[in-house]
Amino acid sequence: GNSVTQMEGPVTLSEEAFLTINCTYTATGYPSLFWYVQYPGEGLQLLLKATKADDKGSNKGFEATYRKETTSFHLEKGSVQVSDSAVYFCALSVIQGAQKLVFGQGTRLTINP
Amino acid sequence: KAGVTQTPRYLIKTRGQQVTLSCSPISGHRSVSWYQQTPGQGLQFLFEYFSETQRNKGNFPGRFSGRQFSNSRSEMNVSTLELGDSALYLCASSPLAGGPYEQFFGPGTRLTVL
Repeated sequence: GNSVTQMEGPVTLSEEAFLTINCTYTATGYPSLFWYVQYPGEGLQLLLKATKADDKGSNKGFEATYRKETTSFHLEKGSVQVSDSAVYFCALSVIQGAQKLVFGQGTRLTINP
Repeated sequence: KAGVTQTPRYLIKTRGQQVTLSCSPISGHRSVSWYQQTPGQGLQFLFEYFSETQRNKGNFPGRFSGRQFSNSRSEMNVSTLELGDSALYLCASSPLAGGPYEQFFGPGTRLTVL
């Protein structure tokens, strides 16, 4: 079956630190990969995506590269800000004629000033 | 463009009751998906509707049902509520079905079952 595994949280960093949140997946077929972010009291927002191997998604200083050989899609940011504090979800979608996202368990990130 | 709206935002029910949640997608979007978010199980796919037809369903009991209207608005219904149904229910819309199109999420409906 299809599944996503994220690094355990919570993660606490100081402002301007380097961020990595690990994500690995298991999928049949060729999935598209996503990172979503959820701020307190809100729904999910798409942060970035990659639809094929070696694609790099990027947005707001965040980056993730689709690595088929290691089945990974790790999220990175060079210098985090307090406003980046949120819960981050890695997800995949396998085209089966329907919109269905399979999510990881989420990683809570707290950035201290 | 207005985002995905969900009503109500908060709901308290007791065991055995039923509940209906509503979702209005972004104008022009025809696909609506529903997800359940709980601390224990995380985010789980419930079902997806496109052009008033259910295209895919997650692994939930038959107490969970949904429908989509001709204007793409969607409702989900949970009958005979159980304590374990307490969750944040998220609706997401996208312009087309078939993926992998970006899904835009609403703020959710927080359901508490007492």
